[in-house]
Amino acid sequence: GQQLNQSPQSMFIQEGEDVSMNCTSSSIFNTWLWYKQDPGEGPVLLIALYKAGELTSNGRLTAQFGITRKDSFLNISASIPSDVGIYFCAGQIALGGATNKLIFGTGTLLAVQP
Amino acid sequence: EAQVTQNPRYLITVTGKKLTVTCSQNMNHEYMSWYRQDPGLGLRQIYYSMNVEVTDKGDVPEGYKVSRKEKRNFPLILESPSPNQTSLYFCATRTAYNEKLFFGSGTQLSVL
Repeated sequence: GQQLNQSPQSMFIQEGEDVSMNCTSSSIFNTWLWYKQDPGEGPVLLIALYKAGELTSNGRLTAQFGITRKDSFLNISASIPSDVGIYFCAGQIALGGATNKLIFGTGTLLAVQP
Repeated sequence: EAQVTQNPRYLITVTGKKLTVTCSQNMNHEYMSWYRQDPGLGLRQIYYSMNVEVTDKGDVPEGYKVSRKEKRNFPLILESPSPNQTSLYFCATRTAYNEKLFFGSGTQLSVL
């Protein structure tokens, strides 16, 4: 099956630092989603992006839909300890007709040192 | 409160002993899906269902079965579990035409 290349695999940062992560693929996507998974829980949607070049913010989080439609970026500013978790990108690809498929990235593990 | 409920949260079993992981949602969503999460591999889709009595294979369906007899329930069945099915499993749901998935809290399965 298809997968998205997500990097970095893990990050260990100090509280207050900014964080950047990205997802790349050889395929074109019509929607990008970013999820966060807290320890012991299921992923929760953070941001949804619907067109190339779109830049959307949710509090300290900002995500961008790449111009080529093959990549997406997530930035977290001024990190805090509760930002700890695994971040997943997900790209939606059209399969034909009204059918779409969501493909997930491999995840970025974020650890924040207080 | 909108919920996707999985049971059990943790399960340890032995090779070959049939098991079922249940998933129930109260949001009247048409679409339900099962994923497994493994380190370095992210979330991979096992099976999905577009509506009652409609199921399809995802990317890693081998060794799994599902059924969708009612809209709210989508159980995952392992007829003869093997150690390579040790994983963290998530049920997820959404409406028919919205890409935003809602996930359950997960089931950690260990097959010895």
